[in-house]
Amino acid sequence: DAGVTQSPTHLIKTRGQQVTLRCSPKSGHDTVSWYQQALGQGPQFIFQYYEEEERQRGNFPDRFSGHQYPNYSSELNVNALLLGDSALYLCASSFGGRPNYGYTFGSGTRLTVV
Amino acid sequence: SQQGEEDPQALSIQEGENATMNCSYKTSINNLQWYRQNSGRGLVHLILIRSNEREKHSGRLRVTLDTSKKSSSLLITASRAADTASYFCATTPNSGYSTLTFGKGTMLLVSP
Repeated sequence: DAGVTQSPTHLIKTRGQQVTLRCSPKSGHDTVSWYQQALGQGPQFIFQYYEEEERQRGNFPDRFSGHQYPNYSSELNVNALLLGDSALYLCASSFGGRPNYGYTFGSGTRLTVV
Repeated sequence: SQQGEEDPQALSIQEGENATMNCSYKTSINNLQWYRQNSGRGLVHLILIRSNEREKHSGRLRVTLDTSKKSSSLLITASRAADTASYFCATTPNSGYSTLTFGKGTMLLVSP
């Protein structure tokens, strides 16, 4: 049973460019959440997708957008990249809105903006 | 923004010793979870404790929750070198959807 799959694992982009990160949730999970983890910090919630809609959003600018497909996979898009967007981006999947169990995380995408 | 703080920020012990990490949070919660992260990669769920529970065990892990003090502790008994990792607590809110709010983590080093 595959867990959460994220691609790519590493990415280097130039300031001002746009990037798309991808996530396939664990089999049976229908909800995908994205987190940004800066070096030495805990992950911060970006947004959550359920039934192909953004259900909740953290304190991130509109440059951060996402999408969820009918097969529950998801994309995170970041436009006009800033140096401060360099971080580990984590995808987490779950089932339903209020799971009383832990989330399953992917291994993350390490984004470096130069 | 971060929900709270883990304490200590870093902990260094010898194999076989116990490791205790503390977590404080700010708002009412539905549950509190602990995660482990090896070398800045993905997070692994360790244990979940609900707001109406006070203590929970899983293998060598023991978690306590004190909602009156808005704090939790994670005890790892008989530590092994393989336990070397960063440990994060995360809370889900009492209302709305179950998004996680993380602390800054405790870095644990277990030396052979």
